[in-house]
Amino acid sequence: DVKVTQSSRYLVKRTGEKVFLECVQDMDHENMFWYRQDPGLGLRLIYFSYDVKMKEKGDIPEGYSVSREKKERFSLILESASTNQTSMYLCASSSSGSGEQFFGPGTRLTVL
Amino acid sequence: QQQVKQSPQSLIVQKGGISIINCAYENTAFDYFPWYQQFPGKGPALLIAIRPDVSEKKEGRFTISFNKSAKQFSLHIMDSQPGDSATYFCAASKRSGGYNKLIFGAGTRLAVHP
Repeated sequence: DVKVTQSSRYLVKRTGEKVFLECVQDMDHENMFWYRQDPGLGLRLIYFSYDVKMKEKGDIPEGYSVSREKKERFSLILESASTNQTSMYLCASSSSGSGEQFFGPGTRLTVL
Repeated sequence: QQQVKQSPQSLIVQKGGISIINCAYENTAFDYFPWYQQFPGKGPALLIAIRPDVSEKKEGRFTISFNKSAKQFSLHIMDSQPGDSATYFCAASKRSGGYNKLIFGAGTRLAVHP
């Protein structure tokens, strides 16, 4: 079974802190994605990566950056956390030959 | 601009009943329409998906109906069970290179009462 793991289930940070969210997948997938999930808004794509060191902006990239130094690992970085970034963050991966995305369990981030 | 509109926001169905969730899309270039199911504390998981060359796809109690001319698709859950209680997301995408960039609907919270 595909497994996508995220470094933390819950995280509490202060405004202005730099925050790192880590995601690891074990199926050698080429594509990896970061979403945020908010009630009434569904899942919104922040960034995605289709290869090591390659990244593309999604629909809401402002305030975020990403890093993909290894194929299995995709990091989401909040350079200076703000309260409006309090949300559930979901990582997903997919193979280049399939439309199916496999999701991790999510990280609930609270910024105080 | 929301490209995939999903309704209703929430749905209550009695055990054994039919649950119906609807989605509408705007971009006629979309060519892949999945439904994801999410249980509390879990990430979404693919439930069923359809491509626009067919009008219906059935997998067990779950059916996608697709209307290309109306740019609408829906999920039908037959004989709904309490274990189906979850949040359901429709999505749409157009394949670009080696990846599908999914656009999700806002989600429907389904509660199936015994």
